[in-house]
Amino acid sequence: NAGVTQTPKFQVLKTGQSMTLQCAQDMNHNSMYWYRQDPGMGLRLIYYSASEGTTDKGEVPNGYNVSRLNKREFSLRLESAAPSQTSVYFCASSRVPGQGGAYEQYFGPGTRLTVT
Amino acid sequence: AQSVTQLGSHVSVSEGALVLLRCNYSSSVPPYLFWYVQYPNQGLQLLLKYTSAATLVKGINGFEAEFKKSETSFHLTKPSAHMSDAAEYFCAVSVGAGGFKTIFGAGTRLFVKA
Repeated sequence: NAGVTQTPKFQVLKTGQSMTLQCAQDMNHNSMYWYRQDPGMGLRLIYYSASEGTTDKGEVPNGYNVSRLNKREFSLRLESAAPSQTSVYFCASSRVPGQGGAYEQYFGPGTRLTVT
Repeated sequence: AQSVTQLGSHVSVSEGALVLLRCNYSSSVPPYLFWYVQYPNQGLQLLLKYTSAATLVKGINGFEAEFKKSETSFHLTKPSAHMSDAAEYFCAVSVGAGGFKTIFGAGTRLFVKA
């Protein structure tokens, strides 16, 4: 099993350019997430998808859009990149939280994005 | 609002010494708590999780954490540090309907001296 995979690993954009970050998981998880990681701030949730066909905003959704393409894939799009979006982006997946509570998340290796 | 506070952005220990990484949370409902570890240039991996079954939780690589409701704490410990433990550690709490929203602490970087 590859687990959670992300492409690309690195990307440099100019202000105003657009791009899509791709994420796929092969663990048959229903829930998927996008986070950004900035120094001293931990991880902050951008968007999540509780199950195929649904998406919801997290803590910092402004400037981003997402698409849950199918059960395996969840993409993150920056329509008009800004320097403030320079960060490391992580995709994660998990089982659907149920009566037993929340389940751990499995993370991809990350995409390091620089916006100049 | 729920939150997670990790005391100390950097912790340095000698190899063989006790590791103690501190985490305090605030939550209006019983929390689900996690510790994750991140090695350089990698994603996060689960170390252990608390789901109310037992207050002392054992994880991988010899780590354990104790849930103390009265202190709203979930500190991570390891009796004897190894060089391979050098990494960044994140405490996290799952909140909200369905538990989809996980709040992460700012992280504590652990340095291990030979």
